[in-house]
Parts: sequence; C-alpha cells; structure tokens
Amino acid sequence: GDSVTQMEGPVTLSEEAFLTINCTYTATGYPSLFWYVQYPGEGLQLLLKATKADDKGSNKGFEATYRKETTSFHLEKGSVQVSDSAVYFCALVYSSASKIIFGSGTRLSIRP
Amino acid sequence: EAQVTQNPRYLITVTGKKLTVTCSQNMNHEYMSWYRQDPGLGLRQIYYSMNVEVTDKGDVPEGYKVSRKEKRNFPLILESPSPNQTSLYFCASSDGTGYEQYFGPGTRLTVT
Repeated sequence: GDSVTQMEGPVTLSEEAFLTINCTYTATGYPSLFWYVQYPGEGLQLLLKATKADDKGSNKGFEATYRKETTSFHLEKGSVQVSDSAVYFCALVYSSASKIIFGSGTRLSIRP
Repeated sequence: EAQVTQNPRYLITVTGKKLTVTCSQNMNHEYMSWYRQDPGLGLRQIYYSMNVEVTDKGDVPEGYKVSRKEKRNFPLILESPSPNQTSLYFCASSDGTGYEQYFGPGTRLTVT
C-alpha cells in the first residue's frame, strides 16, 4: 500500500545552519506531495506542495522537489531560524482519493 | 477569518463516559476529516466525509462515530471511551479535492 517515510527526529541545528529533512514515499499511482508544519500548540499548516514529477514547491525559504525516480520529496532550507522550530510532516494525496497519508513527523529544534 | 474550530481544546474523562468533540468550518468546504496524532505514528485518519450525509471510515475508525448533518459541522463521538483513545485529535476540512487541508487547533483527550 501507499506510505510515507520520514527521517527520525528530533533534529537539532544551530541558527543559520542548512536544513534537510528526508522524505520518501511508496505510491501505486501519481500522487501530489506536501509538507505540513505544526508549530507548538497548533494544528498543521500547509507549508508547500508539488503536484507532479519535477515540480518544486517553495514557501518561507523552504523548498522541496518532487523526484519520481527516487520517490523522494526532501525538505530543504538554506538558513534556518529559531522560529522554524516545529514538527514537519511529509504527506501524499491522490486527486481522486479522499484521504491523505502522513509520515510520522520530524521534530526540528533550532538553537540560537 | 477562514478557520476550523474544535471544542473542547482539552478534555479529561473516565472510561465509558460518552463524549462528543465538535468541529466546525466556515469555508463552505465539502470535505471534512478527523485524525488522531500519537507520538511516533504521525496522523492517522479516523473518519472522513465527502459531503453532507456521506461519511466513510479511515484507517482507525474503531471506537468512534461521526455524523455530517450540516456542511459546516462534523462532530466526533466516542460512545464508550477507553484509555487507548487518549490522544491529540485534529479536525480538518478542504474544498473537496483533498489537496490542501485546513486543520483545527486540536483537542487533547485523556481517558482514565
């Protein structure tokens, strides 16, 4: 069945460091891919998305490219800030389906 | 302001005492869903609804009920809560394509 696998956390970085959070997926069709972010005490918010292979999603300095050949959608940011501390979820969804499959989440902590 | 609201935000109850968590959205979305979030497991879908009077099971429906009598509301009902239903619950809505989902702030439920 379809699934999403994220790198285990927690990930702790210093401010201005480069960030990569790995995400790989298994899918029987051609899903859209998403990154959601959950700040402390809040619900999830859409961070970025890509709807087809080779698309790049970007928002707030974060980027992720839909790589069909490696079934990956890694999240990157060139210089993280303390305010980026949150839990990040990779997810996939089909346009014809009614459900979204989430990864287990990666907790990111940024030290000043 | 477009939003999904949930009530209560926090609830402590005892085994077997029926409870309802309300969810309401003001975006006229057709699609609504309930998730539970547990450490290391990410978000798992409990139930979803594609429109009024249309509901279906997600991945972990056992012990839960839902109803969709109005487009804006999608309550989650635990008829006889048990300790293994202690979790953080999120309601979400979308415009029906299943793409971007808008999440409520969450309800932390503890069943003793």
